[in-house]
Amino acid sequence: KNQVEQSPQSLIILEGKNCTLQCNYTVSPFSNLRWYKQDTGRGPVSLTIMTFSENTKSNGRYTATLDADTKQSSLHITASQLSDSASYICVVSPGYGKLTFGQGTILTVHP
Amino acid sequence: GAVVSQHPSRVICKSGTSVKIECRSLDFQATTMFWYRQFPKQSLMLMATSNEGSKATYEQGVEKDKFLINHASLTLSTLTVTSAHPEDSSFYICSARDPRPRVDTQYFGPGTRLTVL
Repeated sequence: KNQVEQSPQSLIILEGKNCTLQCNYTVSPFSNLRWYKQDTGRGPVSLTIMTFSENTKSNGRYTATLDADTKQSSLHITASQLSDSASYICVVSPGYGKLTFGQGTILTVHP
Repeated sequence: GAVVSQHPSRVICKSGTSVKIECRSLDFQATTMFWYRQFPKQSLMLMATSNEGSKATYEQGVEKDKFLINHASLTLSTLTVTSAHPEDSSFYICSARDPRPRVDTQYFGPGTRLTVL
């Protein structure tokens, strides 16, 4: 069964600090892995997308890594801001098929 | 980046009425769109896959007569919740597959909050 597991479930950090979110997956076949940010009451917005051959991808203060051998990914947020408070969802795509969603990590940034 | 819109953003209706939600891809043609629902503090759950010009494919446990999907054009899919009940209250999100990139890419809409009284 295809699964995506994220950790931690929730995280509270102070503004300006860095944090790293984890994603482990067992999805086959594998085409790409995406990280999305979902604000409360809004749809998910793509942060990064990585294919099998990509190890890292950056988007501003967001840096995602992918280890296709161990089937792990991480999302690192640098110099967090209050607006980073959201749910971060790891999603794995088999290609032209159904996406497998992680449960998300709820990040809260406090001033 | 590509944009997908949904309308309305929120709707409140009485039990027993039907509600239609629209999903549009604004700057690309989407032969495939997807409908998800999301309960509080949970991830998105795929309800159905909508292909332009053909019948939608529903996930197990999703009533096709309850959730009517129409994908009449390459830029518009609609979800109609028929005879809505309070348990249908949820956050409904659509996504549209952009056929242009080499990598399979879906863009999500902003979601529709449905509250059934």
